[in-house]
Amino acid sequence: KAGVTQTPRYLIKTRGQQVTLSCSPISGHRSVSWYQQTPGQGLQFLFEYFSETQRNKGNFPGRFSGRQFSNSRSEMNVSTLELGDSALYLCASSSEDSYSGANVLTFGAGSRLTVL
Amino acid sequence: AQKVTQAQTEISVVEKEDVTLDCVYETRDTTYYLFWYKQPPSGELVFLIRRNSFDEQNEISGRYSWNFQKSTSSFNFTITASQVVDSAVYFCALSPFDYKLSFGAGTTVTVRA
Repeated sequence: KAGVTQTPRYLIKTRGQQVTLSCSPISGHRSVSWYQQTPGQGLQFLFEYFSETQRNKGNFPGRFSGRQFSNSRSEMNVSTLELGDSALYLCASSSEDSYSGANVLTFGAGSRLTVL
Repeated sequence: AQKVTQAQTEISVVEKEDVTLDCVYETRDTTYYLFWYKQPPSGELVFLIRRNSFDEQNEISGRYSWNFQKSTSSFNFTITASQVVDSAVYFCALSPFDYKLSFGAGTTVTVRA
């Protein structure tokens, strides 16, 4: 069974540009969450989607957005990139559809974004 | 607000030594869930264990064991007879009902041969 697949794995952008990251969850998983990991702030929750609807959102500016498609694949977008957006962006999917903090997340290997 | 504190930033041990990672959490919720994840150099977070706030039973899985003490808001993790393959960053995390996992800062474990 394929795991959570994130593309691209590495990318370099310059300030002011925008970026789109993609996440394919494990087949059958309908919930997808996104986390940002930086050395300074650690792992922080961005948002969670289920059946194409955003169910929860973290404390990030509006430049960070996401969506989920009918096949459960998800994308996140960051517009007007800033140096501080350099991070590892992790996507996770869950087989448990209930809106519950108990759900076990399966993470992808992440997309490492560098903003110059 | 949820908060998870992992006291140790880095731990270095020689193979076969035991390693205990401390995790202390803060929450006002009466129902919550605690997790431990492992992050090897490849980057993905690997799920190790989940506990709910009503289950204070300790758990052992192979060389891994967890001690949950609600009275002290702690959920500590011990690796017995460590191996080089255990080298990774370990994260403790807390989740209330709403799907937001709050992670600790992580503890980097280095096991030397």
